[in-house]
Amino acid sequence: AQRVTQPEKLLSVFKGAPVELKCNYSYSGSPELFWYVQYSRQRLQLLLRHISRESIKGFTADLNKGETSFHLKKPFAQEEDSAMYYCALSGEYGNKLVFGAGTILRVKS
Amino acid sequence: IAGITQAPTSQILAAGRRMTLRCTQDMRHNAMYWYRQDLGLGLRLIHYSNTAGTTGKGEVPDGYSVSRANTDDFPLTLASAVPSQTSVYFCASSDGPGRGNYGYTFGSGTRLTVV
Repeated sequence: AQRVTQPEKLLSVFKGAPVELKCNYSYSGSPELFWYVQYSRQRLQLLLRHISRESIKGFTADLNKGETSFHLKKPFAQEEDSAMYYCALSGEYGNKLVFGAGTILRVKS
Repeated sequence: IAGITQAPTSQILAAGRRMTLRCTQDMRHNAMYWYRQDLGLGLRLIHYSNTAGTTGKGEVPDGYSVSRANTDDFPLTLASAVPSQTSVYFCASSDGPGRGNYGYTFGSGTRLTVV
């Protein structure tokens, strides 16, 4: 079975501090991992995909198959990063995504 | 229309009533999905459609039905609403099916309250 775990419901950091949003997954095959972001009163949007190995808005995420993790990181948080972040997995169900419970990131000034 | 349009934006519905949530996309995506978003549970897949004319059940399909008569439209129907169906409903689409998809495009959501 596929499962995505985001252990933190809320992560609160000060502006300029490093950020790490944790994501662990359960899947026996070769997964595709994604991070989605939902800003206040906006629709969910794709932040980044592990296969593209890109950096979006200063965020990066590395797939660690040994630890089955895909943590989202940013070296210096900004107030505009405050949002709900979802980790998602595409595995045995083809293109269908399984989402984690989400983590609210609050960046304080 | 640009992307995915959902209607209504919000609705208060009496228990036992029938309700159809509308979803239309203009990107000619093959695959479409319905998710419900609940605090602490994330997004859970209700139903999906890999291409026009086909549908499938997701993780939480009970009490919901869908149809996919054409590429653009993917309505979600609650035959007899119950309070546990109070949620925010998101429609999404992708180029899928198949591996290596480029992620979903989401609608703005429908906030449904069943009383």
